[in-house]
This record gives sequence, structure tokens and C-alpha cells, in this order.
Amino acid sequence: AQKVTQAQTEISVVEKEDVTLDCVYETRDTTYYLFWYKQPPSGELVFLIRRNSFDEQNEISGRYSWNFQKSTSSFNFTITASQVVDSAVYFCALSENRRGGADGLTFGKGTHLIIQP
Amino acid sequence: DGGITQSPKYLFRKEGQNVTLSCEQNLNHDAMYWYRQDPGQGLRLIYYSQIVNDFQKGDIAEGYSVSREKKESFPLTVTSAQKNPTAFYLCASSIDPRGGRPIFGSGTQLSVL
Repeated sequence: AQKVTQAQTEISVVEKEDVTLDCVYETRDTTYYLFWYKQPPSGELVFLIRRNSFDEQNEISGRYSWNFQKSTSSFNFTITASQVVDSAVYFCALSENRRGGADGLTFGKGTHLIIQP
Repeated sequence: DGGITQSPKYLFRKEGQNVTLSCEQNLNHDAMYWYRQDPGQGLRLIYYSQIVNDFQKGDIAEGYSVSREKKESFPLTVTSAQKNPTAFYLCASSIDPRGGRPIFGSGTQLSVL
């Protein structure tokens, strides 16, 4: 069965520091998708990135970057020069292609990121 | 603007009462999902639907029911059989369940009186 582990329950850093959120996943599928979502205090989940299992290229979007390593089943998320507005709960999620991916996403428990001014 | 609308934002349930959470989307998405979020926990799948008039149980369907009579709407009923209903409920939709990018609504907080 699929599983997503976010071992860091809470991280607190001072503004402008870099911070990495870890995500480790388990799946038997060879085709799958990995996601990161941000949940601000308002509660809505905001999509950040989707990566398919055949694309191991790292991605950078402004201050955000993602490191996907199939060899270690990890999909880590780094925020460079963190800002107070980055404070939120961040979720890593997995979607398997088995059964057409019909059964939605499997989420980790989330990492609460606190950026102190 | 296209999106997902959940209502109400806050809902209170009395013991023994059924309550219904609304989820409407105007994105023309085929797939819709209901998730439950408990404090400090990830989201867990309750029900999902890929097409109109069809839906499947997720990991924690007991005590819940859904319907999908229209493509745009996927209401969730929390029945009296759900003994611990207090949670944050999120609805999502996706144009393609096979790796599509699920878009989430703003959620409904359900509490028991």
C-alpha cells in the first residue's frame, strides 16, 4: 500500500534562513505522481507542484525548489530566504497510477512551518 | 472565476442528527473527492466520484454518504452513525483522476454541540 511520511512535525526558523521539508514515500507502482500543497491558516490547500515518476529533474520556482530522488524515495522541498508569509502547514502527497489513480491522493501528516520575523 | 465552493464554512451538529456539507465546482471537472482532516493529521479520503451517478468509498467511508446527481455537485452527508464527526472537511476536484492536479475548496469545519 502507498504511504507518505513527513517526519518533521514542526519547523521554526528565523526569516531569511533556508529551510528544507522532507518527504519520503512508499509505492509499488512504477508510475505515480508526487505533490506538494501549502495550507495557510485560512484552511484551503494551495497547489505548489506535481511531479511524475519518470521526471527526476529538480525544479526551481522562485524561492521554492524541489529535489526528487527515486533511489531514496524522497521528494524534498526547500524554501530559500524564507519569509513570514511562508508560514503554513505543508503537505506532501502521492497518487498512484494503479487503477488509473482513481482513489485520490495519499497525504503525509504535514509539516508546520513557522517563520519568525 | 472557476473554482470550488464549499458551504457552510462552519457547521454544528447535534447528537443523532444528520448534516450535509455542500461542494460545488464550475471547473467542468469529472472527478470529485471528499477528505477529512483532523488536527495534526494529514487528509484522509472519505469518498470519491469519477463520473456522474457513480462514487466509491475511500479509506474512512463509515458514517458518511454522498451523491453525484450532477457533474458540478458532490454533497457529503455526515450521518448519526459517525460517532466522531468533529473535523475539517475538504472537497476537491480534478479534471483527470489519473495524476491530475486536484484543486481544493476552502473547507467546512464541523463541530458537535
